[in-house]
Amino acid sequence: AQSVTQLDSHVSVSEGTPVLLRCNYSSSYSPSLFWYVQHPNKGLQLLLKYTSAATLVKGINGFEAEFKKSETSFHLTKPSAHMSDAAEYFCVVSGPDYKLSFGAGTTVTVRA
Amino acid sequence: DAGVIQSPRHEVTEMGQEVTLRCKPISGHNSLFWYRQTMMRGLELLIYFNNNVPIDDSGMPEDRFSAKMPNASFSTLKIQPSEPRDSAVYFCASTPPAGGYGYTFGSGTRLTVV
Repeated sequence: AQSVTQLDSHVSVSEGTPVLLRCNYSSSYSPSLFWYVQHPNKGLQLLLKYTSAATLVKGINGFEAEFKKSETSFHLTKPSAHMSDAAEYFCVVSGPDYKLSFGAGTTVTVRA
Repeated sequence: DAGVIQSPRHEVTEMGQEVTLRCKPISGHNSLFWYRQTMMRGLELLIYFNNNVPIDDSGMPEDRFSAKMPNASFSTLKIQPSEPRDSAVYFCASTPPAGGYGYTFGSGTRLTVV
C-alpha cells in the first residue's frame, strides 16, 4: 500500500519569494511520485514526475522536486513565486498497480 | 493530441434522474480511471479499467453508480438514481501501458444534483 502526506494545507508567499510545499510518502515498493497542480475550476495538470531516475526532478513553470529516500520526502520548490502560481497542489504516489494515491492538497496563495 | 475529453463540462439535474458522464481517453492509453472530487473528501478513485476491463471498483460508492468501457476509446460513468450528495466534480484520467509517466486528466464534469 502507498500513501502521501502533505504537511501544509495552506502556504502563503509574497510574489518573487521562494515556495516550498512539503510531501512525505509511504510505499512498500519503489514508488513513482508526482506533483499535480489544479487552478480554480480547472482540471489537474502534471507538474513533474519521479520514476527512479535522477533524484532532482525539474518540471514545468520553474518548479522542481527532490526525491529523498532516506527521509521519504518529495518536496516541491520554486525559487521565485509568480501570481499565476496561486492554485492547489497535490502530491501523488503511484504503486505497481498504477493506482494513484493523492495527498489532501496544499493551497498556495501569492501576495502582491 | 486532444488530451482526455470529458463531456458534458457541466450537468445540472434533479434528484432521481439518471446521469451519464462520458470520457474519451488518449489514443494508445490502456488504463482509464474515474475520480470524484469534493471539498469534504478530496480526490477519490471510483474505478479503473485496464484494457477495457474493470480492475478495481472498490471505490464506487454504491449500486447507484456503474461504469462501462465498451471499447478502448470510450467510457461512461452512470448514476441512477442521482442524489444531491452525488454533487461533485468527476474526473477521468488515462495512462499509457508503462504507467509510470503520470496520468493525463480530463477537464472534469461538474455535476450538480438539486
